[in-house]
Amino acid sequence: EAGVAQSPRYKIIEKRQSVAFWCNPISGHATLYWYQQILGQGPKLLIQFQNNGVVDDSQLPKDRFSAERLKGVDSTLKIQPAKLEDSAVYLCASSLEAQINSPLHFGNGTRLTVT
Amino acid sequence: LAKTTQPISMDSYEGQEVNITCSHNNIATNDYITWYQQFPSQGPRFIIQGYKTKVTNEVASLFIPADRKSSTLSLPRVSLSDTAVYYCLVGELKGYSTLTFGKGTMLLVSP
Repeated sequence: EAGVAQSPRYKIIEKRQSVAFWCNPISGHATLYWYQQILGQGPKLLIQFQNNGVVDDSQLPKDRFSAERLKGVDSTLKIQPAKLEDSAVYLCASSLEAQINSPLHFGNGTRLTVT
Repeated sequence: LAKTTQPISMDSYEGQEVNITCSHNNIATNDYITWYQQFPSQGPRFIIQGYKTKVTNEVASLFIPADRKSSTLSLPRVSLSDTAVYYCLVGELKGYSTLTFGKGTMLLVSP
């Protein structure tokens, strides 16, 4: 099966600019996640979707981050305006169900550098 | 939310068996233990999951003692390609919003 697709692979922007990341999950996976991984740390959950509805966005900095999952398939994560501390890898993952015994399948991420 | 503690790093040589232990002293009755592997420039990959006793698949084994306060991921006969970060996660069977990735264990396999 095709894996989770993410684009772009790399992005460099200046602070206060905006940026968007795109994710295409594995076909049939109802649950989609966005994680932020800062260098040297484990991934941190930003938002979780079940189909096209938000299940958990408690750790999403909503003053600057937004995400949507139209039609319950593809998803976009946006940052506006970006700050230096947003430099990280943004990982998208999907799973068949929102259950712990339904493994997460991650994409290779988008590496964001904010200068 | 059960907190996990695992070594920051481990070193091994090709062909050896590697055991990575994770402590989770306040694990709850409904919590499962899951391990992920992450290579540089890639997202984490599911390795194995268990609730109690022993679980084995084609990649690894997971040993969980009766009190479930710790677990050990066992990688048989490691190769250079097993060099990666290994994460231990503990969470309840109701959704991933309760799972938290720690810093993981960086395993370095040398020739």
